[in-house]
Amino acid sequence: DIQMTQSPSSLSASVGDRVTITCRASQSISDYLNWYQQKPGKAPRLLIYTTSSLQSGAPSRFSGSGAGTDFTLTISSLQPEDFATYYCQHSYSAPLTFGQGTRLDIK
Amino acid sequence: QVQLVESGGGVVQPGRSLRLSCAASGFSLSRYGMHWVRQAPGKGLEWVAVIQYDGGSKFYADSVKGRFTISRDNSRNTLFLQMNSLRAEDTAVYYCAKDHGSGWTYIDYWGQGTLVTVSS
Repeated sequence: DIQMTQSPSSLSASVGDRVTITCRASQSISDYLNWYQQKPGKAPRLLIYTTSSLQSGAPSRFSGSGAGTDFTLTISSLQPEDFATYYCQHSYSAPLTFGQGTRLDIK
Repeated sequence: QVQLVESGGGVVQPGRSLRLSCAASGFSLSRYGMHWVRQAPGKGLEWVAVIQYDGGSKFYADSVKGRFTISRDNSRNTLFLQMNSLRAEDTAVYYCAKDHGSGWTYIDYWGQGTLVTVSS
């Protein structure tokens, strides 16, 4: 099974900051990497699919990059509504594992 | 618009069974793969199972393999998760989720979840 490791596990930042979250796969997953945002008490929401494609309705300040085993989610300028937990998930093969999550909170 | 509404959650004793349902609307269920994802209290997301658009292929997380069964009734626009031999560690919010494609590509819509509590 493919393991997904996110770093950092938590992060404190300020409105306007540029933030990068990393996701590493235990083996190559090509570009089959997706990012989700989850706020407390809510269902997750798709942000980025297939490494770098922005989901319809997601703000353009979110971007994704990477290939193979190493991937990043970048928020170019943090907004108050971006404070949430972020998860990566691969869709290369079943089981489709998630990373452990990165909690982003206000500094 | 796409709607996924889970039901069937509740409190159940260890070793017992429970069946979750997910009513889909706003899209043609028969064209898409579907997933179950769970989240234990205060923990991260755990992918549970996926079923291909026609039910032809199904895959499970190791943690539920042999105990849980994913199925679908496209004529009733409904997804199911049969959970047997439940354990305390199965306690979680269970989300029904739609895949973007006919098998598994990425999850583009999620339900609001149903809470399953396994406790004596």
